[in-house]
Formats: sequence, structure tokens, C-alpha cells
Amino acid sequence: EPEVTQTPSHQVTQMGQEVILRCVPISNHLYFYWYRQILGQKVEFLVSFYNNEISEKSEIFDDQFSVERPDGSNFTLKIRSTKLEDSAMYFCASSELQGNMGYEQYFGPGTRLTVT
Amino acid sequence: SQQGEEDPQALSIQEGENATMNCSYKTSINNLQWYRQNSGRGLVHLILIRSNEREKHSGRLRVTLDTSKKSSSLLITASRAADTASYFCATAYTGANSKLTFGKGITLSVRP
Repeated sequence: EPEVTQTPSHQVTQMGQEVILRCVPISNHLYFYWYRQILGQKVEFLVSFYNNEISEKSEIFDDQFSVERPDGSNFTLKIRSTKLEDSAMYFCASSELQGNMGYEQYFGPGTRLTVT
Repeated sequence: SQQGEEDPQALSIQEGENATMNCSYKTSINNLQWYRQNSGRGLVHLILIRSNEREKHSGRLRVTLDTSKKSSSLLITASRAADTASYFCATAYTGANSKLTFGKGITLSVRP
């Protein structure tokens, strides 16, 4: 069964460093998302992406964050200068279609980002 | 806030019993999705119910949606120890571009 994959599973970085989190969405999906979950807190939406541009972003997704689909399969989240509060589990998700009623969003296993 | 909020926050049952979890939300939605998360792991999609649907089944799962009460319930029948996990409802509300808004989750413990 197709699934969303993410690499790395765990990333440790120093404050101020840049990190790139990678995702391979399900191959026939057209919509891509990033969410994050700070330990013990709710899963929060960061950004959605369709047709090579951002569809929607949350207030968390400030200028330090960017997303890219560099080729036909990968979808990346870059954090330019990490802060301690960026420590979280980052989930990539994808969905096949978007419509008035919406479609299932399938999540990857997550990348645990630890900023020291 | 358009968040889904689940209750109870924690539920402990004996294997073989049914588990019922509830979710409430505040604004009109397009759909509501239930997810399972094992400790520290990824989110596994369980079921999606659209705003024009009232009930859906998938294996041992039954989901209902009452848009007049802005609530949904997830029923797991004949629970197993392997069902032990956190369960989240996530809503895609009308007008949004399908972003999901998650609740805090319910911790389900199934005792063998």
C-alpha cells in the first residue's frame, strides 16, 4: 500500500542552523501539507502546497520557513535559522484531490527535530 | 476556534469491550477525519466522514456525524490490546483549503 515517507526520522541541530526535512508524498497525490506537533500538544497545521505554490499557511509559518517541490517526488520543508521552540515532530501529509468535501490526508511517520 | 475537541481525555477498558470516543467542533465543516497515533509515532488515518454523511463503517470502526450538534463519535467494537493508542479527530472546516484542525486527542488503554 502506498505511503508517505519522511527523512530523516530524527534530526538534531544547533540553534541558528538551517535544516531541511524531506518527504516523499504518495505518488498520485496532488496536495501536500506540513504539520507539526510539539511534545504533549496538538498537531498544528503549517502549510499546504498545490501546483508548485503555497495554497495556505498558518501564522506559525513565518519567513524562517519555506517549502519546495524540487523534483517530481520530493517535498521539503526548510527552516532557515532554527530556534529552540522549533523542536517538534514534523509531519508531512498528502491527499489525492481537494474538493468541496475534501479527501483523506495521509500522514508520514514524522521527523523528530531537536534544536539544542 | 474551529477546533475539534475530544472527550473523554482518557479511556481505559477491558479487551473485548467497545470504546466510544466523542469529538465536538464549533463551526461548519466539510469533513471530519479520525486518526490513531501510537506513542511517539506517526498519524494513521482511520476514517473520513463528510458533512453530508451521517454514519460510516470500516471494519470494527463506526463513525457518526451529527452536524446539528456539531459532534462526531468513533466507536471501536470488540477492542483489542493493540488498539491502545491516542485517537484524534481533525476537522476540515468550510471555506478552508482542506487544512485539518486537530483536537487534543483521547488516550485509549485496552487492558488484556
